Amino acid sequence: KAGVTQTPRYLIKTRGQQVTLSCSPISGHRSVSWYQQTPGQGLQFLFEYFSETQRNKGNFPGRFSGRQFSNSRSEMNVSTLELGDSALYLCASSDRGDRGTEAFFGQGTRLTVV
Amino acid sequence: TQLLEQSPQFLSIQEGENLTVYCNSSSVFSSLQWYRQEPGEGPVLLVTVVTGGEVKKLKRLTFQFGDARKDSSLHITAAQPGDTGLYLCAGVRNDYKLSFGAGTTVTVRA
Repeated sequence: KAGVTQTPRYLIKTRGQQVTLSCSPISGHRSVSWYQQTPGQGLQFLFEYFSETQRNKGNFPGRFSGRQFSNSRSEMNVSTLELGDSALYLCASSDRGDRGTEAFFGQGTRLTVV
Repeated sequence: TQLLEQSPQFLSIQEGENLTVYCNSSSVFSSLQWYRQEPGEGPVLLVTVVTGGEVKKLKRLTFQFGDARKDSSLHITAAQPGDTGLYLCAGVRNDYKLSFGAGTTVTVRA
């Protein structure tokens, strides 16, 4: 079974631009969550999608948005990039997203904003 | 402010020594998970503890969930260089969100 695939692995963008990151979950998994990881803040929850619906949202500004398609693939978009958005963005999939369900993480997309 | 506080932040030990990482919170969790993350990779789940007071062993790793389900610890016996990595605890609440601690960077020197 293929793991969680995130593309691209690395990205360099300029302040003010927008970016779209992609996540393909494990086949059969319907829950996809996104996290931002930085050395100072650790792993911060962005949002979670389950069967194409946003089920939960973290405390990030509206510049961060996401969506999930019918095949469970998910994208997240960040508009008007700021230097502070430089981070490793991780996607995790699970089959139900219930309490205690294992989350399988992708390798992440390393975003650098210059 | 992190919902889960991990300590210590950094730990460097010699191969063969033991180590313990702590994860504390004032909140109650329905379950708690421990992950290990290596450079350039995403976190990988090590264990999930669900019941207060539960102890789980995974080879040289021992995980304990506090009686009140607010804290947990990870103990590694006879650490090896392959145990090097970032150890993350994550609490699961009823809203499906995983709340992560800031992590403990463990370095095991050969």
